[in-house]
Amino acid sequence: DADVTQTPRNRITKTGKRIMLECSQTKGHDRMYWYRQDPGLGLQLIYYSFDVKDINKGEISDGYSVSRQAQAKFSLSLESAIPNQTALYFCATSDVGQGNTGELFFGEGSRLTVL
Amino acid sequence: GNSVTQMEGPVTLSEEAFLTINCTYTATGYPSLFWYVQYPGEGLQLLLKATKADDKGSNKGFEATYRKETTSFHLEKGSVQVSDSAVYFCALKGGGFKTIFGAGTRLFVKA
Repeated sequence: DADVTQTPRNRITKTGKRIMLECSQTKGHDRMYWYRQDPGLGLQLIYYSFDVKDINKGEISDGYSVSRQAQAKFSLSLESAIPNQTALYFCATSDVGQGNTGELFFGEGSRLTVL
Repeated sequence: GNSVTQMEGPVTLSEEAFLTINCTYTATGYPSLFWYVQYPGEGLQLLLKATKADDKGSNKGFEATYRKETTSFHLEKGSVQVSDSAVYFCALKGGGFKTIFGAGTRLFVKA
C-alpha cells in the first residue's frame, strides 16, 4: 500500500457542488500539504499543516478549505467548485528533525474536473 | 523571494541519447536542491538531492551538481531509456518549510 493515499483519484463534478478530497498517510509525519498542479505552472501550495492544531494558508488558498482530522489525515474541500479549479491535486507529507532536508512524499494525485 | 527556473519542454530524445535539463535558482542563504520525477499517472517522487555547494546528487543514472557560483542544478543522464519518459521538476527548499518548484520539463524518449 502507498504511504500517502488520496481519494478519490478522479472526480468529475459540476459548478457549485461541494467536493472533498481526502488524504491519509502512514509515514508518521507531522507536516502535511495540499498542492495544485496545472500544466506549465509547476506545483502551487494551497494549504499546509504542521500538526493537528496548526493550519496555514499557502499561495492559492482562496476557494479552498482544509481539515486536519488527525496526524494521519488531511482533507481539502472546495465549498462551491468552479471550472478554473479543474486541476490535479496532490497531498504531500514531510518529516522534521535534526538534519532533515525536507524531502516531500507525495500521494498519487486526485484529478478533479469541474464542468 | 526564492524561485526556480527550468528549461521548457517538451524534450524529445532517442534512446541512449545524452540528457541535460537546465535548472537555475534564486535564493538567499544555502538552500537544499532537489529533482523530483513524475511518471505518467503517478505522484512526484524524489529523484535526487544535494544539500550544500559542490555536492553531487545521483540516482538511477541521473546526476546533478549543486553549483553555487552559477546558482544552477542541472540534471544529466548519459544514456536515456524509454522508461525515463516523465516530467522532471527542479525544486529548492530554503531555511523555512516551503519547497519551491519549477514549472516542470516533460521528457519523451523514443525507442
